[in-house]
Amino acid sequence: AQRVTQPEKLLSVFKGAPVELKCNYSYSGSPELFWYVQYSRQRLQLLLRHISRESIKGFTADLNKGETSFHLKKPFAQEEDSAMYYCALSAPSSNTGKLIFGQGTTLQVKP
Amino acid sequence: DAGITQSPRHKVTETGTPVTLRCHQTENHRYMYWYRQDPGHGLRLIHYSYGVKDTDKGEVSDGYSVSRSKTEDFLLTLESATSSQTSVYFCAIMERQGAYNEQFFGPGTRLTVL
Repeated sequence: AQRVTQPEKLLSVFKGAPVELKCNYSYSGSPELFWYVQYSRQRLQLLLRHISRESIKGFTADLNKGETSFHLKKPFAQEEDSAMYYCALSAPSSNTGKLIFGQGTTLQVKP
Repeated sequence: DAGITQSPRHKVTETGTPVTLRCHQTENHRYMYWYRQDPGHGLRLIHYSYGVKDTDKGEVSDGYSVSRSKTEDFLLTLESATSSQTSVYFCAIMERQGAYNEQFFGPGTRLTVL
């Protein structure tokens, strides 16, 4: 079964500290993986996707197929990073674009 | 915001009443989706559409129906609302962004069923 797991409901760090939001997935094949972010009172928006290997707002995420993980990292957290973060998976073979989301992790960056 | 709007933005209703939520897009996107967002569950797909009159079920479709009679509108109906359907509902569209597809989300509808 296809599944995305984010084990932490809440991650609280101080400004300037490193951040790692964990994401593990279950999928037989090569999925497309994404991180979405929802800032307070804003729409859900794409932060980054694994296939483009980009860094957005200082965040990076590496796909580890052996560990079936796609953890989101940032070396120095900023207060404006406080938000809800969702890891999501899409099956490229389906062509429907359907997303399977994890439970979400709230990141709280304290001053 | 990819031209996506949702209406109403907030609704309070009573158990057993019918409720229809509307998603409207202005850019002729083929794929549209309805998700619900619940604490501890993240977002879960309810139904999606891949064209006018073409829809399919998602992960949590029981108790919901959808219709798409025009490209721009995707309606989600709760025939007889229950308290378990209290949630925030998000509509999304899929848009080609360069070499990739990307989903863009509406602002959400907060539904409370008493």
